[in-house]
Amino acid sequence: GAVVSQHPSRVICKSGTSVKIECRSLDFQATTMFWYRQFPKQSLMLMATSNEGSKATYEQGVEKDKFLINHASLTLSTLTVTSAHPEDSSFYICSARAGDLASYEQYFGPGTRLTVT
Amino acid sequence: AQKVTQAQTEISVVEKEDVTLDCVYETRDTTYYLFWYKQPPSGELVFLIRRNSFDEQNEISGRYSWNFQKSTSSFNFTITASQVVDSAVYFCALGLSGTYKYIFGTGTRLKVLA
Repeated sequence: GAVVSQHPSRVICKSGTSVKIECRSLDFQATTMFWYRQFPKQSLMLMATSNEGSKATYEQGVEKDKFLINHASLTLSTLTVTSAHPEDSSFYICSARAGDLASYEQYFGPGTRLTVT
Repeated sequence: AQKVTQAQTEISVVEKEDVTLDCVYETRDTTYYLFWYKQPPSGELVFLIRRNSFDEQNEISGRYSWNFQKSTSSFNFTITASQVVDSAVYFCALGLSGTYKYIFGTGTRLKVLA
């Protein structure tokens, strides 16, 4: 149980275009989803936290107009990178937390590798 | 400040050697969780262990063992008789109360040589 999927696993887009990444909890309801970015040989940096039906909370330094996050249902959150630039090329990982308020566990998706040319 | 420090950037060992990966954390919270994850070249994080702040018992799982010491704010991870398949980046993470956010350390790249 507790499987999180991401789609696509890899995407290449041209500079200036937008790209959407989906994160789904397959066998549980995720009240909270998290989006991370990981540059090569670096750690995971939290970008934002999204709760179902609410606006996402962005970490300091993350442009909310550039990284649009929508958590429209208890099983789906999307991250849209708008007007992508080469510096947005990175590995994006989502995670989901189940509805049990006492649970600290985050279940991670397999990641999406974005390359902006 | 809430922080996780993994001072070892990269470690190389020869197969069958034991290796310990260090993790030191800082938090003001009295309730928190600590985690270790493995990230192989594929990129997908593999969960290894979760420990809550009230449970200082050490844990062993096969060749893996963890030593949690609140007195030194450390949560170290030892691999016994390392194997080539253990080669990966290992992350220690701190789970915060209230927000449930994770703070990740910078990771330790382990290379096990045949």
